Amino acid sequence: NAGVTQTPKFQVLKTGQSMTLQCAQDMNHNSMYWYRQDPGMGLRLIYYSASEGTTDKGEVPNGYNVSRLNKREFSLRLESAAPSQTSVYFCASSTGQGLYEQYFGPGTRLTVT
Amino acid sequence: GENVEQHPSTLSVQEGDSAVIKCTYSDSASNYFPWYKQELGKRPQLIIDIRSNVGEKKDQRIAVTLNKTAKHFSLHITETQPEDSAVYFCAASIWNDMRFGAGTRLTVKP
Repeated sequence: NAGVTQTPKFQVLKTGQSMTLQCAQDMNHNSMYWYRQDPGMGLRLIYYSASEGTTDKGEVPNGYNVSRLNKREFSLRLESAAPSQTSVYFCASSTGQGLYEQYFGPGTRLTVT
Repeated sequence: GENVEQHPSTLSVQEGDSAVIKCTYSDSASNYFPWYKQELGKRPQLIIDIRSNVGEKKDQRIAVTLNKTAKHFSLHITETQPEDSAVYFCAASIWNDMRFGAGTRLTVKP
């Protein structure tokens, strides 16, 4: 099993450009999450999806959109990137309902200039 | 929303000593409290977790205690080893909405 995979690993964008971060899991998990991690800070929840077809806002959703394409895949889109969105983005998945371990992907390091 | 505070931000111990990291949370509805370890440049990995209906849980050298009345929980690592050096994060979640503390950088000196 690959677990949770993310693409790309690194990305540099100019202000105003758009991009989509991809995440997939092969553990048949119901819940999936997107976090950002800034230097010296903990992870902050952007959006989560409790099950296929549902998405909910987390702590810092502004400037992002998500799509739960199917049970395996959960994508994060930046429509108009800003320097404040420079961060490391982690995708995670879990059996469900927030009462179980979240398994994290390797992360995407995004720089917006 | 939920707010999680974590102390200390840095902790240095001698190999073999114990390390304690403390967290407080604000929302009494929080029902799941995991602890994650993150090594430099790596993804966070769960080391132990506890649910709101349990007061204490132990796994070899690692233990977590939860005080729901006071809304705080703690991580205890005994007999620390150099490979325990990393950043540790506590978190509290209300169902799928998880909030993390800012992290504690633990250094274990040989």
